[in-house]
Amino acid sequence: DAGVIQSPRHEVTEMGQEVTLRCKPISGHDYLFWYRQTMMRGLELLIYFNNNVPIDDSGMPEDRFSAKMPNASFSTLKIQPSEPRDSAVYFCASSFLGLAGENEQFFGPGTRLTVL
Amino acid sequence: EDKVVQSPLSLVVHEGDTVTLNCSYEVTNFRSLLWYKQEKKAPTFLFMLTSSGIEKKSGRLSSILDKKELFSILNITATQTGDSAVYLCAVEYLAGNQFYFGTGTSLTVIP
Repeated sequence: DAGVIQSPRHEVTEMGQEVTLRCKPISGHDYLFWYRQTMMRGLELLIYFNNNVPIDDSGMPEDRFSAKMPNASFSTLKIQPSEPRDSAVYFCASSFLGLAGENEQFFGPGTRLTVL
Repeated sequence: EDKVVQSPLSLVVHEGDTVTLNCSYEVTNFRSLLWYKQEKKAPTFLFMLTSSGIEKKSGRLSSILDKKELFSILNITATQTGDSAVYLCAVEYLAGNQFYFGTGTSLTVIP
């Protein structure tokens, strides 16, 4: 398996533009997570899905952020309109809740977003 | 408010030294604690701890959890320059698959 795939790897955009980040989880994993990482706040969980259904979006900073998971192999995180303070690395991770309770999360390479 | 606190924030050691990284937590409905290593890319999984007092070991790395005192430690013996990274602690809570991450400990190992 290629692991969690994210695109783009880098995104530079201007304030006010719409940004869409994409994620393909590991096949067979039934949980998908979106994280944001900044120097100031560290790694923050934004939202996670179980079997394509959003379970907890309490970490989504505001209405400008939205996430979808139309099927088991694809998810998007959209920021509209983007602002400079959204600049961060956005990670997608997936996991499978095993019978023994193990649920190691596998992270994608991240998307480095810069909003000018 | 639930939180995960890691210490120290940063650490510089010489190759061959032994280091101990700390993670304390105050989380409702604790389920598990995980350690990750993050170099200049995505975090990679090291250990998952669910029971107190049982050491998990992988090569020069080991970790243990104390659910009474609400902390975990990550030990690295005979450090190497390749151990230089940010080490993240994450606590899983509630029904599962919800995590709080600490801000990490930045470890630098110098030759």
